[in-house]
Amino acid sequence: DVKVTQSSRYLVKRTGEKVFLECVQDMDHENMFWYRQDPGLGLRLIYFSYDVKMKEKGDIPEGYSVSREKKERFSLILESASTSQTSMYLCANEVPGYGYTFGSGTRLTVV
Amino acid sequence: AQSVAQPEDQVNVAEGNPLTVKCTYSVSGNPYLFWYVQYPNRGLQFLLKYITGDNLVKGSYGFEAEFNKSQTSFHLKKPSALVSDSALYFCAVRDSPGTYKYIFGTGTRLKVLA
Repeated sequence: DVKVTQSSRYLVKRTGEKVFLECVQDMDHENMFWYRQDPGLGLRLIYFSYDVKMKEKGDIPEGYSVSREKKERFSLILESASTSQTSMYLCANEVPGYGYTFGSGTRLTVV
Repeated sequence: AQSVAQPEDQVNVAEGNPLTVKCTYSVSGNPYLFWYVQYPNRGLQFLLKYITGDNLVKGSYGFEAEFNKSQTSFHLKKPSALVSDSALYFCAVRDSPGTYKYIFGTGTRLKVLA
């Protein structure tokens, strides 16, 4: 089974800081996704990638960017953190036809 | 546009009773449907999926779901609830044919009372 690891479980950052959220999968899978989860809103797609150096915007990309230099690593970047970006961030890896495997999530608080 | 709805924010059920968590969807083409469960401060875990085949799908931890094409529903069920089933449940549908994006419902909190 694929394992998806998010580097931080809890993170506290200051407004205006540049924040990096790291996600690593241990298989040679192509499809990776970043979601944020907020109460009452479910999961909303921020960015996704189907291959190295490839990225596509999801439904709420504003204020975020991503990096995928290697197939196993997909990083989410908050260019200038704001309090509205306080949320649970979930990374997922998809095996076509089998659904997603999620990381444990990073709960980010921006103060 | 593709969409998925979970009409109940919370479902309460007594331990030992059957449980149902509802999900309806709207997609073009054949739906890929999924259920995930989330325990506190954790990521989502896969429970079961429907892609094709039998309408009744069996998954992890004794859960099952019934695909109903005419009612565009994919309700999650379990014959006898456990307190440990208390968690947040998400229904998801593939966004559109040929993509790997999934659309998630807003989640239903299941509370099983001892």
